[in-house]
Amino acid sequence: DQQVKQNSPSLSVQEGRISILNCDYTNSMFDYFLWYKKYPAEGPTFLISISSIKDKNEDGRFTVFLNKSAKHLSLHIVPSQPGDSAVYFCAASEGGNQFYFGTGTSLTVIP
Amino acid sequence: GAGVSQSPSNKVTEKGKDVELRCDPISGHTALYWYRQSLGQGLEFLIYFQGNSAPDKSGLPSDRFSAERTGGSVSTLTIQRTQQEDSAVYLCASSLARTGKNFQYFGAGTRLSVL
Repeated sequence: DQQVKQNSPSLSVQEGRISILNCDYTNSMFDYFLWYKKYPAEGPTFLISISSIKDKNEDGRFTVFLNKSAKHLSLHIVPSQPGDSAVYFCAASEGGNQFYFGTGTSLTVIP
Repeated sequence: GAGVSQSPSNKVTEKGKDVELRCDPISGHTALYWYRQSLGQGLEFLIYFQGNSAPDKSGLPSDRFSAERTGGSVSTLTIQRTQQEDSAVYLCASSLARTGKNFQYFGAGTRLSVL
């Protein structure tokens, strides 16, 4: 049973515009959330994280928003660049050793 | 390099054969994870090693799967009597922290194809 869901398998955005990737979770005990980015033939790389005590965390062009009541988080990329084209995974944990990953969203940024 | 290294990058095997997948974590990382990504699925947790503690094997899908970590460093994931449904990308990751509030460094994975 998927505890972390990314319902959009793909997203296309024009260069310079905002990309919004969404993630929903079912486990209210999750208290730490992460986004990873994956290029073809490479492993996922860490992008940004957020603890449940916050509702926003920003790092340059990347901002993650957490809505605990809706059990929803989103990743905003602005402005989007062609090099951002990749598969994005969200992940969550209860603060322990096990991380639960979504199925990923493939982002294409069109020049 | 200084990243997580996995070998082989690709493995094709016949149904019923045993396979061994290797992971070299980043030096000094005490935590090591194995995940599996089947086609169209997310990353499925398999097993977790933390220092000298007993591994968390709760994600291993069957007793055909086993893993060990020798000397707190290199890890080997073994799949016995492979089945076609074992075909997937197997990813290894390592991290420093003892708690979950950290992030993992992933290897490029081993793509296993069982014919």
